Amino acid sequence: NAGVMQNPRHLVRRRGQEARLRCSPMKGHSHVYWYRQLPEEGLKFMVYLQKENIIDESGMPKERFSAEFPKEGPSILRIQQVVRGDSAAYFCASSPRGSEAFFGQGTRLTVV
Amino acid sequence: AQSVTQLGSHVSVSEGALVLLRCNYSSSVPPYLFWYVQYPNQGLQLLLKYTSAATLVKGINGFEAEFKKSETSFHLTKPSAHMSDAAEYFCAVRGGAGGTSYGKLTFGQGTILTVHP
Repeated sequence: NAGVMQNPRHLVRRRGQEARLRCSPMKGHSHVYWYRQLPEEGLKFMVYLQKENIIDESGMPKERFSAEFPKEGPSILRIQQVVRGDSAAYFCASSPRGSEAFFGQGTRLTVV
Repeated sequence: AQSVTQLGSHVSVSEGALVLLRCNYSSSVPPYLFWYVQYPNQGLQLLLKYTSAATLVKGINGFEAEFKKSETSFHLTKPSAHMSDAAEYFCAVRGGAGGTSYGKLTFGQGTILTVHP
């Protein structure tokens, strides 16, 4: 059973471009969480999704950020018109209901 | 609302010495508490978790943590540090059962552990 797969591992975007981060949860996991880790800081919750539903997006910036977890395929975190302050490591975690989350290796986004 | 405070952003110990990483939490519901370890440029690996069973929790790599409700603490310890323990450690609290916060983790700021030969 493969772990949580995130791709790409590293992503470089110019200011104003779009960034798409993908997360394939572990087999059998229907809950996905996205976290952001800014330099020298801990992880901050962004969004919690189940298949085709956003359950809690209280940590998502109001503009430019969106997330989805379609019926088929990976979960996608999308950042439009990236700015330098979006440079961070973005982690996805998945879990079955009622258990601990397993984390992916992260996507390190650099905005130049 | 929940929060986690890790006391000390950097801890340095000698190889073979006791490791003590401090974590205090605040939670309006009985908490589920976790310690994770992160090696450079890697994801987070679960060390151990407290889920309201035994207050002394044993984890991987010789780590353990004790839940003390009266002190709202969940400190991580290891009797003898190894060089391979050098990493960043995060304490986290999870939302209670039910509601939209279930499963969402709130992390502390992290503690970087350095182990000297």
